[in-house]
Amino acid sequence: DGGITQSPKYLFRKEGQNVTLSCEQNLNHDAMYWYRQDPGQGLRLIYYSQIVNDFQKGDIAEGYSVSREKKESFPLTVTSAQKNPTAFYLCASSPPDRVTEAFFGQGTRLTVV
Amino acid sequence: AQTVTQSQPEMSVQEAETVTLSCTYDTSESDYYLFWYKQPPSRQMILVIRQEAYKQQNATENRFSVNFQKAAKSFSLKISDSQLGDAAMYFCAYRDESPGTYKYIFGTGTRLKVLA
Repeated sequence: DGGITQSPKYLFRKEGQNVTLSCEQNLNHDAMYWYRQDPGQGLRLIYYSQIVNDFQKGDIAEGYSVSREKKESFPLTVTSAQKNPTAFYLCASSPPDRVTEAFFGQGTRLTVV
Repeated sequence: AQTVTQSQPEMSVQEAETVTLSCTYDTSESDYYLFWYKQPPSRQMILVIRQEAYKQQNATENRFSVNFQKAAKSFSLKISDSQLGDAAMYFCAYRDESPGTYKYIFGTGTRLKVLA
């Protein structure tokens, strides 16, 4: 089945450690996105990528890094510089068609203790 | 910059009744796409309905319809015959198509409660 897979579903890390969230898609979509979801703040864009080896900062990129070495994969690293990393993270992808919505993974809940 | 505003953090509706969720947006573009997503307790994002700004006709998907007012930059979602399974967070989204790139901008969401 085609879709977007995020792993793991739950992730616990100690404060000060970097952590990488995985996002893989087999929809052959060009664009991929990372959003952060906090209560009352909706979905905020962290990073996005239109093509392999290229990506752009979203509205809240500080403390995060990404790579896009393969079309299918867009991992997100939450670094120790991110002051409030505990959140729900959603990965999405979309083709270039204007009519098409973004497709989402199941999300990763990151808790930093 | 384009923005999407959902002014109702929470709404309640009686089962079988109708409810309308509000969304406004800001853009200088003349043609664009708007979307409503549903996020149930599983947290999986599900597309509910989409609307192209170029089309005057309001989109409809079964019990879900939109009231699209382009001049007012308003894109409200009407849910008819509400069911318990409609209880969820609902997000309005705008597809931003700046030159050479495109991304989706979301509102802060409305939590819908359905009362039995």
